Amino acid sequence: NAGVMQNPRHLVRRRGQEARLRCSPMKGHSHVYWYRQLPEEGLKFMVYLQKENIIDESGMPKERFSAEFPKEGPSILRIQQVVRGDSAAYFCASSPISLTWDTQYFGPGTRLTVL
Amino acid sequence: KQEVTQIPAALSVPEGENLVLNCSFTDSAIYNLQWFRQDPGKGLTSLLLIQSSQREQTSGRLNASLDKSSGRSTLYIAASQPGDSATYLCAALSRETSGSRLTFGEGTQLTVNP
Repeated sequence: NAGVMQNPRHLVRRRGQEARLRCSPMKGHSHVYWYRQLPEEGLKFMVYLQKENIIDESGMPKERFSAEFPKEGPSILRIQQVVRGDSAAYFCASSPISLTWDTQYFGPGTRLTVL
Repeated sequence: KQEVTQIPAALSVPEGENLVLNCSFTDSAIYNLQWFRQDPGKGLTSLLLIQSSQREQTSGRLNASLDKSSGRSTLYIAASQPGDSATYLCAALSRETSGSRLTFGEGTQLTVNP
């Protein structure tokens, strides 16, 4: 069973461009979570999705950021008009059921650099 | 709002030493508390998960304890090895968020010297 996959692993964008980060959860997992780790800071929750539904997006900036988890295909975190402050590691995690009884399985992350 | 704090921020020990990493959380209404390991440039690996009804969990040389009343958890590493060098993260799953996300501490960066 392959683990959580994220691509690309490294992404470089210039200010004002769009960044699209992809996450394929583990097989059989229908819950996806995105976290952001800014330089020298801890991981901060961004959004929690189930197939075709956003369950909790309270950690996501109101502007420029969006996320989706379609019925088919990977989950996508989209950042429009990137700024230097968006430079961070973005981690995706998945779980088969709710978190109250099981852990999340993390991907290797996408490291976004905004020039 | 849940806040998780880890001390120390960094720790350097000689190989073979037993050590304790500390984690504190402000809201004791949690489902569980977890310890993760993060290696540079890589994702997180779950080490131990303690349900709110449990007091401790053990895996090999690792032992994690949970004291909800005081809002504290510790990770004990016995007979440390250079391969244990990594950042250790503590994370709480709070009831206030209906179990939808983990709140992480900022981590303890551990270096075990040969």
